[in-house]
Amino acid sequence: QSVLTQPPSVSAAPGQKVTISCSGSSSNIGSDYVSWYQQLPGTAPKLLIYDNYKRPSGIPDRFSGSKSGTSATLGITGLQTGDEADYYCATWDSSLSAVVFGGGTKLTVL
Amino acid sequence: QVQLVQSGAEVKKPGASVKVSCKASAYSLTDYYMHWMRQAPGQGLEWVGWMHPKSGGSQSEQKFQGRVAMTWDTSTNTAYVELSGLRSDDTAVYYCARDGVGTSLDFDYWGQGTLVTVSS
Repeated sequence: QSVLTQPPSVSAAPGQKVTISCSGSSSNIGSDYVSWYQQLPGTAPKLLIYDNYKRPSGIPDRFSGSKSGTSATLGITGLQTGDEADYYCATWDSSLSAVVFGGGTKLTVL
Repeated sequence: QVQLVQSGAEVKKPGASVKVSCKASAYSLTDYYMHWMRQAPGQGLEWVGWMHPKSGGSQSEQKFQGRVAMTWDTSTNTAYVELSGLRSDDTAVYYCARDGVGTSLDFDYWGQGTLVTVSS
């Protein structure tokens, strides 16, 4: 069981918008920043969002991040078939003194 | 441009040890934290530990303590993770990832991954 909780899967049609939630507690999301990663099949994860909402250069503004209390959300607009991937949230947990990941969410673009 | 290039796949027997390398280019290993993660087949990401060559510090996830060693060679700009007492459930792809310049964790560059298979 992952410390951070994500829905196992989400789906939406091309061009639509989807959100992926990441729920934690006061010792992780509630007290530190969240980052998000996209993992295409057979490849290494790629940084999408860091410090809750910042995008690295090269990441389109179709991807957005937000945090409220002990939950964080990744939003993707204008869905493309190339967005089909697994998405992971991550943060530091001060009680565990460890990096914690969500269990991952598989995005299907129908 | 920044790259992390990892060593090739390994097949080990239960009880053996494995050492995976991660060679950094276009930046100095001493300037950033480096983390190690792993991903078992069909599973999610699991954190193994971090290392900080500049301070000489490292820390592993509690479940690996006593079995994992993270080291580095600044002359070749290469990081290493060694896992001993291998079990079948250590079968996974192991990744190195640089912690970038954000306020908190942001793994901005990743190695391509190294598959470690533990099988008798």
